[in-house]
Amino acid sequence: GENVEQHPSTLSVQEGDSAVIKCTYSDSASNYFPWYKQELGKRPQLIIDIRSNVGEKKDQRIAVTLNKTAKHFSLHITETQPEDSAVYFCAASGGTSYGKLTFGQGTILTVHP
Amino acid sequence: ETGVTQSPTHLIKTRGQQVTLRCSSQSGHNTVSWYQQALGQGPQFIFQYYREEENGRGNFPPRFSGLQFPNYSSELNVNALELDDSALYLCASSLGDLLQGTEAFFGQGTRLTVV
Repeated sequence: GENVEQHPSTLSVQEGDSAVIKCTYSDSASNYFPWYKQELGKRPQLIIDIRSNVGEKKDQRIAVTLNKTAKHFSLHITETQPEDSAVYFCAASGGTSYGKLTFGQGTILTVHP
Repeated sequence: ETGVTQSPTHLIKTRGQQVTLRCSSQSGHNTVSWYQQALGQGPQFIFQYYREEENGRGNFPPRFSGLQFPNYSSELNVNALELDDSALYLCASSLGDLLQGTEAFFGQGTRLTVV
């Protein structure tokens, strides 16, 4: 089955800096890669996603890049703000595990004012 | 908000008991997936229901079972509760596509504590 590795496990940045979180996946047939933000005690919230036929996608301060050959994808947050502080999860789906999201271990992002 | 609702929000059960958790999917969605999220971990896939049929199962024992109803709402049942079953149980609603992954929106979760 699919296996997703996420790094780093914790990330601390100053307000205004950029943050990058990286994930690798094992199933080359996976074709959908969402990113979720989860604040303490709340539900995971979909913030951006990318499909395997696209290399990069942007939404304001957030961008995701995908390298299918290397089987890795990354989340980029620019101009970070304290409200970006949360746990971020990457996930992979599709291919042999369509419909099932396999999550990474999560990254605790802390943005210091 | 996602339009996905779960009940109850919190639950305390005794080891050996049985529990039923409920999920109402977002309007127009035909697929519900259930996940278990232990403290400090990512969600782990339990199983998925697509148009009332189980469509994939994760590495969970048979005492974890489920149903999906004609209105696409769903239940997760756990028998013979163990202490390790204590976790946040999340359901995710999506418009199913059997060929590729699709956007999934989570409910607020049910926090289950087994004592």
